Amino acid sequence: NAGVMQNPRHLVRRRGQEARLRCSPMKGHSHVYWYRQLPEEGLKFMVYLQKENIIDESGMPKERFSAEFPKEGPSILRIQQVVRGDSAAYFCASHKMSTEAFFGQGTRLTVV
Amino acid sequence: GIQVEQSPPDLILQEGANSTLRCNFSDSVNNLQWFHQNPWGQLINLFYIPSGTKQNGRLSATTVATERYSLLYISSSQTTDSGVYFCAVYDMRFGAGTRLTVKP
Repeated sequence: NAGVMQNPRHLVRRRGQEARLRCSPMKGHSHVYWYRQLPEEGLKFMVYLQKENIIDESGMPKERFSAEFPKEGPSILRIQQVVRGDSAAYFCASHKMSTEAFFGQGTRLTVV
Repeated sequence: GIQVEQSPPDLILQEGANSTLRCNFSDSVNNLQWFHQNPWGQLINLFYIPSGTKQNGRLSATTVATERYSLLYISSSQTTDSGVYFCAVYDMRFGAGTRLTVKP
């Protein structure tokens, strides 16, 4: 049973480009969370998704950021027109309802 | 929303010492987990513990849900225990973490 898979592990984008981060949850997990982490800081909640539904996006910036978790395929976090301040590690976690959650290895985004 | 507070924010120990990390939360929860983020950034599951006590080797955890806190105990600490310890409650809302440094 593979764990939570995130790809790419490292992503470099120039300012103004789009970044797409992928998260494949563990088999049978229908809940996905995305977090952003700056160096030496904690995990900042961004969005909570279930299959085909956004449950809570209160932590996501209103502009340039979007997330989806389609019926088939991975969850996608999309950042449009990236800026230097978007450089961070982005983690996703998945779980079944009211059970233990597991994290992926993270995607480290660098905007140059 | 629910508030999660962890203490202490930083902790420095000599190898072999014991420690207790605390997680307070502001509302009733039916989910609580402890994670360790190692120096390479990987987030490792320690305990899923909505209530009661669990032990795994040198680590143990206790959650008293009615009093809204959880404790993580580390005994005979090792340098490999260094990193940041997070608790997460409810719908995976995190505290700010406790940064642990274990010196040889």
